[in-house]
Amino acid sequence: AQRVTQPEKLLSVFKGAPVELKCNYSYSGSPELFWYVQYSRQRLQLLLRHISRESIKGFTADLNKGETSFHLKKPFAQEEDSAMYYCALSKGNRDDKIIFGKGTRLHILP
Amino acid sequence: KAGVTQTPRYLIKTRGQQVTLSCSPISGHRSVSWYQQTPGQGLQFLFEYFSETQRNKGNFPGRFSGRQFSNSRSEMNVSTLELGDSALYLCASSFTGGAPGELFFGEGSRLTVL
Repeated sequence: AQRVTQPEKLLSVFKGAPVELKCNYSYSGSPELFWYVQYSRQRLQLLLRHISRESIKGFTADLNKGETSFHLKKPFAQEEDSAMYYCALSKGNRDDKIIFGKGTRLHILP
Repeated sequence: KAGVTQTPRYLIKTRGQQVTLSCSPISGHRSVSWYQQTPGQGLQFLFEYFSETQRNKGNFPGRFSGRQFSNSRSEMNVSTLELGDSALYLCASSFTGGAPGELFFGEGSRLTVL
């Protein structure tokens, strides 16, 4: 069965410093990977997905199939980045469910 | 478009009771997924419905069940409630279901079991 692991429950980073939220997955096929974000008092929402190869709010994520990782990165953290971040995976079949990691809380220090 | 709507937003039950939660997806979305969110376990997948059929199921006991109606609205039911069922239950809808579709989440129903 597929699995998503986010090793850090909490990550504290100073404003202006680089951010890297780690995500590792286990799945032998070709997965679809996503990052979802939940800001305080807001709904969980999609941040980005690997197939789009896009940068959203300065965040990027590259799928590394060799290391089975999909780490989320931003070169310069901003205070508004403080939120809960979830890495998610789907098998790539349009009928498959999306499963989530346990999440990492990112706290940006002033 | 109106977002995903979940009712009730908060509820308190006692052990042994049963509860029904409702989810109205975004208009035009035919897939509805349910997740249990807890601080220790994050989001755990319960089940997904598409066109009134359960298409995917997570690893929860049979006390957790759901259904979807012809208008895509969905309900989930938990019978014989246990203390460990206390959680935020999130519903998400999507147009295609699964990848590469995007999940749109509701605000959740917070269940407290005493």
